[in-house]
Amino acid sequence: GDSVTQMEGPVTLSEEAFLTINCTYTATGYPSLFWYVQYPGEGLQLLLKATKADDKGSNKGFEATYRKETTSFHLEKGSVQVSDSAVYFCALGRSNTGNQFYFGTGTSLTVIP
Amino acid sequence: GAGVSQTPSNKVTEKGKYVELRCDPISGHTALYWYRQSLGQGPEFLIYFQGTGAADDSGLPNDRFFAVRPEGSVSTLKIQRTERGDSAVYLCASSPGAAYNEQFFGPGTRLTVL
Repeated sequence: GDSVTQMEGPVTLSEEAFLTINCTYTATGYPSLFWYVQYPGEGLQLLLKATKADDKGSNKGFEATYRKETTSFHLEKGSVQVSDSAVYFCALGRSNTGNQFYFGTGTSLTVIP
Repeated sequence: GAGVSQTPSNKVTEKGKYVELRCDPISGHTALYWYRQSLGQGPEFLIYFQGTGAADDSGLPNDRFFAVRPEGSVSTLKIQRTERGDSAVYLCASSPGAAYNEQFFGPGTRLTVL
């Protein structure tokens, strides 16, 4: 069945450091891939998404590329800020099956000044 | 506009009791999802509604869990004979339609079973 494996945290970085959070998936066919973010005390928010192979999703300086050959969707940001401290979830969905999402376990990021 | 709302935000109950959790989706969204998020884990799918009917309830852990959406808008997740293992954050999400590539999440209800 479909599943997502996400890099375990917690991750602590200094401000302006480079961020990578790894995400790989197991699925047949062509699912859509997502990164959601959960800021302290808030609900899940969509950060970015990609719906087909080689698509790059981007938002707020974050990027992720849908790599079918490596079944990966790694999240990157060139220079993190304190305000990026949150929990990040990789997710997989399919539009032809009611689109229930499969989530990774989440990666907690703390950015220190 | 208003996002997905869930009530209550917190619910503490005793083992064996019955609880109801409510979700108000974004107006006009026909697809509605319930997920459960245990501590340190990602959300896990419970049930999906398209309109009034449950299109997929394969994620409900057992027959103590039941959900309804009688008018195709508000949904209620019902848990009978609660157990300590039911303690989690219950998340609701909605979408304009099942094929729409985004789900909009509510803030969740934190359920604690003592």
